Amino acid sequence: EAQVTQNPRYLITVTGKKLTVTCSQNMNHEYMSWYRQDPGLGLRQIYYSMNVEVTDKGDVPEGYKVSRKEKRNFPLILESPSPNQTSLYFCASSPSGRTTEAFFGQGTRLTVV
Amino acid sequence: TQLLEQSPQFLSIQEGENLTVYCNSSSVFSSLQWYRQEPGEGPVLLVTVVTGGEVKKLKRLTFQFGDARKDSSLHITAAQPGDTGLYLCAGARRSGAGSYQLTFGKGTKLSVIP
Repeated sequence: EAQVTQNPRYLITVTGKKLTVTCSQNMNHEYMSWYRQDPGLGLRQIYYSMNVEVTDKGDVPEGYKVSRKEKRNFPLILESPSPNQTSLYFCASSPSGRTTEAFFGQGTRLTVV
Repeated sequence: TQLLEQSPQFLSIQEGENLTVYCNSSSVFSSLQWYRQEPGEGPVLLVTVVTGGEVKKLKRLTFQFGDARKDSSLHITAAQPGDTGLYLCAGARRSGAGSYQLTFGKGTKLSVIP
C-alpha cells in the first residue's frame, strides 16, 4: 500500500530535550516536506527537500532541522524543543517538486512542556 | 497576511442540504487543490484544478477554479454525514528552486447532521 508513515503518532517531551520525528514514504517520491498545523493558523511549511541531499527552508523553519540521506526518509529534528513548538506535524511527499499533489502522513501530535 | 482566505470557517448543515465553500486570494496560482482532513488523520487530496474557469465534478462535489486563477469554490450537493470534515484549499506557486510551494488556507470545518 502506498503511504507516508510518521513515527511517533504522539509525543510528550520536556523543554530542551532533543527529539526526532521520522517520516518514510514507499512511493519513490523525490519531493518531501514537513508542515505544522496550529489552530487559527492552518498548515505551514517548515522545510522541504527536492531530492536526496537537497533541502531548503519553508515558511517557518526556526528551531527545526532536517536531513535527506535516503530518498525514502526525511526526519524532522528538534534540537532544543520549546513549548511554542507544541503542534500537530505532518510529513508529505510528492512525485517531484514539479508536481503539486501532496500525499500526507497521519500526523504526529507533539507536546512540549 | 493570509494568502488564501477560506469562508466560511465553520458550517453546520442538515443532511440533504447543499453548500458552497469559498477560497479567495489576491495572488495568482499555477493550480489549486482541495483536500479533506478527518480528525486524527492527514489531509487527503480531493482534486486539482489547473486551468482558469475549469470545473471538475467528483460525484456530489463540484470544484471550480476562477477565470483569473485567484479563487476557487467547492459545492456539495445533498450533503451526507460522511462529508463531515475539514476542507482545505491549497494554492501552488513556483518557488525560487524551480519547485512548487503549496500555501494552505485555514480550512472550513463542515458538520453534516443526520
